[in-house]
This record gives sequence, structure tokens and C-alpha cells, in this order.
Amino acid sequence: GQQLNQSPQSMFIQEGEDVSMNCTSSSIFNTWLWYKQDPGEGPVLLIALYKAGELTSNGRLTAQFGITRKDSFLNISASIPSDVGIYFCAGLRSGGSNYKLTFGKGTLLTVNP
Amino acid sequence: DVKVTQSSRYLVKRTGEKVFLECVQDMDHENMFWYRQDPGLGLRLIYFSYDVKMKEKGDIPEGYSVSREKKERFSLILESASTNQTSMYLCASRTPDIQYFGAGTRLSVL
Repeated sequence: GQQLNQSPQSMFIQEGEDVSMNCTSSSIFNTWLWYKQDPGEGPVLLIALYKAGELTSNGRLTAQFGITRKDSFLNISASIPSDVGIYFCAGLRSGGSNYKLTFGKGTLLTVNP
Repeated sequence: DVKVTQSSRYLVKRTGEKVFLECVQDMDHENMFWYRQDPGLGLRLIYFSYDVKMKEKGDIPEGYSVSREKKERFSLILESASTNQTSMYLCASRTPDIQYFGAGTRLSVL
């Protein structure tokens, strides 16, 4: 089946640093989604990307839909302690009644104050 | 805002018990999903439903069943709980493009 390779698996950074993570696939997707999961909670949608090359921001977060439609990137600027959590990418292939959302395995982010 | 509510945040059950995990969404979504989440394995799809009384197996349906009697409610059933079903269970419903998740149920089977 389809797989998403998300990297890095984990990151330990100092407060104030910028963070980058990415997802790559051998398959093309129509939509890329980025979620954040706080400890003990469900994933919450951060950013949705719908078009190849699209660059979208949400506060300190910026995500891009890769031009090949096989990858996506998430950047967090000036990290703060509450950025701690697991970040997931998800790629969507859909058309008609066919719907398949594939998740990366997540990037665990730790921010040291 | 889309709201997906899972009835229990934490559950502790004994091996062999029948376990019901309940999920309700308030946005009239047709599609609902059950995942389990384990360290190092990410999110794995157990079952999904695209309409009332309709269900489809996901990637790991063994040991689970589901029920969708009303559009807003999707239940996951462990007929006879086993210790390897100890996990975080996540329910989701979707718009055409986006899945929205509940807060999760952390199930421990002793």
C-alpha cells in the first residue's frame, strides 16, 4: 500500500529555534494535511494544502505542497514550549467514491525552555 | 467548529470482556473512521463507515467489529478484549477533504 515517509522521527530543540519537517511519498496526492497531537489528545488539523506549489501559513507555521505532489513540508518559526507534541502529515487521494487518507508516522517535537 | 466526541477518555478492562467505544459527531458527516495508535506504528485504520449501517474493513479489522445505527454515532466493539488491544483509539469523521478527530480513548486491557 501507499506509504508516507515522515522525517525526522523526533527533534529536540531550544526555545526560539526554527523547525522543519517533511513527508515524501512515491505516490501523488490531491491534498496534504498537517496535524498536531498534544500528549493524551487527538490530532488537531493545523494546515490543509490543495494545490501543487501552494504555500500556506497559520501563525508561526508554514506548510508547502510540493510541486511534484509527492511531498510536503512544515516549518515552525521561533518555537515555544507549547509547540511540544507529535506532528503528522497526511496525504489524500480522492476521486468519486474513492477516498484514501494515508498518514506519516509522526515527528515528535520536544522544546527545551 | 466540527465536534467529534468520544465517550470515554480512559478505560481499563479485563481480558475477555466485551468493550464498546462510542463516538458521536455533530456535523452530519457521512463518513466516520476508527483508528488505533501505537508508538512507532502511527495511525492504523480499523474500520470505516460511509453511511448508516454501512461499514468497510480497514487495515487491521481482526478482533474488532463496528456498528453504525445512526448517522451521528459510530461504535467500535471489542468482542473479547485481549492485552494486545491495549492502545489509544481515535475516532474521526470527515468533510470531503479533511478528517476531524476526537480526543481519543486510551484503553488498557489487563
